[in-house]
Amino acid sequence: EDQVTQSPEALRLQEGESSSLNCSYTVSGLRGLFWYRQDPGKGPEFLFTLYSAGEEKEKERLKATLTKKESFLHITAPKPEDSATYLCAVQAGETGANNLFFGTGTRLTVIP
Amino acid sequence: KAGVTQTPRYLIKTRGQQVTLSCSPISGHRSVSWYQQTPGQGLQFLFEYFSETQRNKGNFPGRFSGRQFSNSRSEMNVSTLELGDSALYLCASSWQVNEKLFFGSGTQLSVL
Repeated sequence: EDQVTQSPEALRLQEGESSSLNCSYTVSGLRGLFWYRQDPGKGPEFLFTLYSAGEEKEKERLKATLTKKESFLHITAPKPEDSATYLCAVQAGETGANNLFFGTGTRLTVIP
Repeated sequence: KAGVTQTPRYLIKTRGQQVTLSCSPISGHRSVSWYQQTPGQGLQFLFEYFSETQRNKGNFPGRFSGRQFSNSRSEMNVSTLELGDSALYLCASSWQVNEKLFFGSGTQLSVL
């Protein structure tokens, strides 16, 4: 059975204190791993897609990496505006199926 | 370019009633997916439509149904509402299948 587990559930950081969020997955035939950011009262906002082990992508203070069993979202020198829930999702199985299987997220709070 | 629009934003219903939620995708996007988000289960896939055809369906009872119109707008319907149907219902669109999803802000459904 496909499974996506995110850790930690919640994380509090001081502004400027770098850290990493983890997403471990067990799926049959990974086609893509997605990272989304969700602010309260809003829908998820796309951040990155990773397709193969060893791939890395960066955007401002965020960097996503992928191995065969997990993905990390590294946050360098975070700011209060980075506070949000970060969701990991996988797309797996037969081609042509667009559905994503989500983890339950990591709620990040960055304190000024 | 306007984003994904969902209406209504909030909805309160009683058990046994039925409800219809609406989604207008980003202009030009032909794939529309629906997700249910609850604090305990996170985001769970409901179904996906492409060019008016349901391509994929999640593990939800038959009380949950949907359709897509020729202009790509989509509706989902939940009949015989139960307390456990209280959730944030999110619509997402993409140009094609296997592409990143753009989410709306959702419809918050409360069943009393």
